[in-house]
Amino acid sequence: RKEVEQDPGPFNVPEGATVAFNCTYSNSASQSFFWYRQDCRKEPKLLMSVYSSGNEDGRFTAQLNRASQYISLLIRDSKLSDSATYLCVVNERDTNAGKSTFGDGTTLTVKP
Amino acid sequence: EAGVAQSPRYKIIEKRQSVAFWCNPISGHATLYWYQQILGQGPKLLIQFQNNGVVDDSQLPKDRFSAERLKGVDSTLKIQPAKLEDSAVYLCASSLNRLTDTQYFGPGTRLTVL
Repeated sequence: RKEVEQDPGPFNVPEGATVAFNCTYSNSASQSFFWYRQDCRKEPKLLMSVYSSGNEDGRFTAQLNRASQYISLLIRDSKLSDSATYLCVVNERDTNAGKSTFGDGTTLTVKP
Repeated sequence: EAGVAQSPRYKIIEKRQSVAFWCNPISGHATLYWYQQILGQGPKLLIQFQNNGVVDDSQLPKDRFSAERLKGVDSTLKIQPAKLEDSAVYLCASSLNRLTDTQYFGPGTRLTVL
């Protein structure tokens, strides 16, 4: 089993749709969580951090469920420009270092 | 603010050859990461530096890969000798200090091993 697993996708949705992605992680000691966005042939860029209380940034809402060990990303009113691959990131901490683990990403295509 | 710089952007080599990648992180960023991203997969952490010390290199294939960060600033990643399965994008990222800080990525080096 992978340490961080994401919905396989791809997700193809019309403009204006609401879409949700999930990401599960295996290490219950994981400390911090993020969603990154990666456009085709570009580098990943931070979309938002994920806090225990949940957080919202415009049309994007991220939530963390520590008991079930998953994080989610909800996109409302999808735009064509939201088409990208969404990567979840889980940062772990052990006695010496905290490893940063990326999921394989979920690809979203928003169509007119 | 200047971003993370990487060079070269593209490299094509034959198997068993050697190759080196260079990264210049954002000024003041203590933590530097090297990732390998194979097509269709997420970035896989190869090595993480805190200043010029190695924090994690558990996934670095040490028989062929090496990395250094002299003086806690620039870093180089070397592959010697390269294999076909090393074809990937090599991404460098930096963050201010802690894992809770945002990682800023460079544009990557796209390596093709023939």
